[in-house]
Amino acid sequence: EAQVTQNPRYLITVTGKKLTVTCSQNMNHEYMSWYRQDPGLGLRQIYYSMNVEVTDKGDVPEGYKVSRKEKRNFPLILESPSPNQTSLYFCASSFQGTVSTDTQYFGPGTRLTVL
Amino acid sequence: GENVEQHPSTLSVQEGDSAVIKCTYSDSASNYFPWYKQELGKRPQLIIDIRSNVGEKKDQRIAVTLNKTAKHFSLHITETQPEDSAVYFCAASIVAAGNKLTFGGGTRVLVKP
Repeated sequence: EAQVTQNPRYLITVTGKKLTVTCSQNMNHEYMSWYRQDPGLGLRQIYYSMNVEVTDKGDVPEGYKVSRKEKRNFPLILESPSPNQTSLYFCASSFQGTVSTDTQYFGPGTRLTVL
Repeated sequence: GENVEQHPSTLSVQEGDSAVIKCTYSDSASNYFPWYKQELGKRPQLIIDIRSNVGEKKDQRIAVTLNKTAKHFSLHITETQPEDSAVYFCAASIVAAGNKLTFGGGTRVLVKP
């Protein structure tokens, strides 16, 4: 089954404790992206990757890191989480077009609480 | 960068009535406009999209219209049903710049039976 998976789905942690949220897709998509969702603000892009070893900042990258060592995986790293990073996080992936844009498929979401 | 504004933020309609959600965008180079539906506790899912070379697109009870001159696009849901209750997001992107989507703030739609 074609899908985007994220782990963990729920996480409660404390300020400053490094954490990683994993994202994996099995559709051979080139493009992967991380969003955070906060009430009234919609989905805001954190980082994206257009292919292996190619990553770039989105609109709200501060406090986050990513890596893209393999095509299928795109982990989100919070080196020193703070309470303002409490949010719902979504990973998404799609084929990367230059003449057409393909549908982005979203993972199930990770609800992160930083105390 | 691109800025997308979405209105209204909440919309309550009677079952069977129509619902309209409007979005405006700032970057005239944007040329792809998807709409996502997010049910409570679920992930966003694409319900319809439109590209800049088309003015209107329909899929059963939903339709999207695009006015490039005015830089706005709208989602129309006809004959609403309780299962249409969800949060709807519009988005915009520039195809040649990759797949970066800029989302509107979302509209919470409640269909009352």
